[in-house]
Amino acid sequence: AQTVTQSQPEMSVQEAETVTLSCTYDTSESDYYLFWYKQPPSRQMILVIRQEAYKQQNATENRFSVNFQKAAKSFSLKISDSQLGDAAMYFCAYRSFNNDMRFGAGTRLTVKP
Amino acid sequence: DTAVSQTPKYLVTQMGNDKSIKCEQNLGHDTMYWYKQDSKKFLKIMFSYNNKELIINETVPNRFSPKSPDKAHLNLHINSLELGDSAVYFCASSQRQSNTEAFFGQGTRLTVV
Repeated sequence: AQTVTQSQPEMSVQEAETVTLSCTYDTSESDYYLFWYKQPPSRQMILVIRQEAYKQQNATENRFSVNFQKAAKSFSLKISDSQLGDAAMYFCAYRSFNNDMRFGAGTRLTVKP
Repeated sequence: DTAVSQTPKYLVTQMGNDKSIKCEQNLGHDTMYWYKQDSKKFLKIMFSYNNKELIINETVPNRFSPKSPDKAHLNLHINSLELGDSAVYFCASSQRQSNTEAFFGQGTRLTVV
């Protein structure tokens, strides 16, 4: 099965600054999907951004963008203009073409006012 | 309308009891999952069903038995509950070969005393 690694258990950012969360994965497949999810204290899993492996262009959603490096199997999340409401656990997820979905261990993001 | 609903939201029970958690999705997705989130927030896949067929069965004690009566429902039955079963259990659904994200239920916090 594929593995997903998030090497930063905790990250901290000053409000209005930019922070990058790292994610790498291991796979032998060529077609797959990558996601970043946010889990606030309410424990609801909320989609932040998605990336299809066949697309070379990096996905962007408002203040959130990714740096997808397929050859390096890297999928980092950049949060610009950080806000207090961005504080949460962030999970990187890999979903294979046949729908096997695995998560990284998560990164706890703290936003300092 | 809730896309993925699981009940109950909280469950407190004694060791040795048998309990079930129910999950239903109204998105028409063909794949449903059960994940266990432990106290360190790690999301571990337990089971995955595709059109009522079991496709992923991770190393889970056989006290855990999933049941999928139809593709919109995936229930989790747990026999002889142990203290180590205490966790948050998430149900999720997604569509195969689609770039849409997986949708999650609100989670069931199971506490075994």
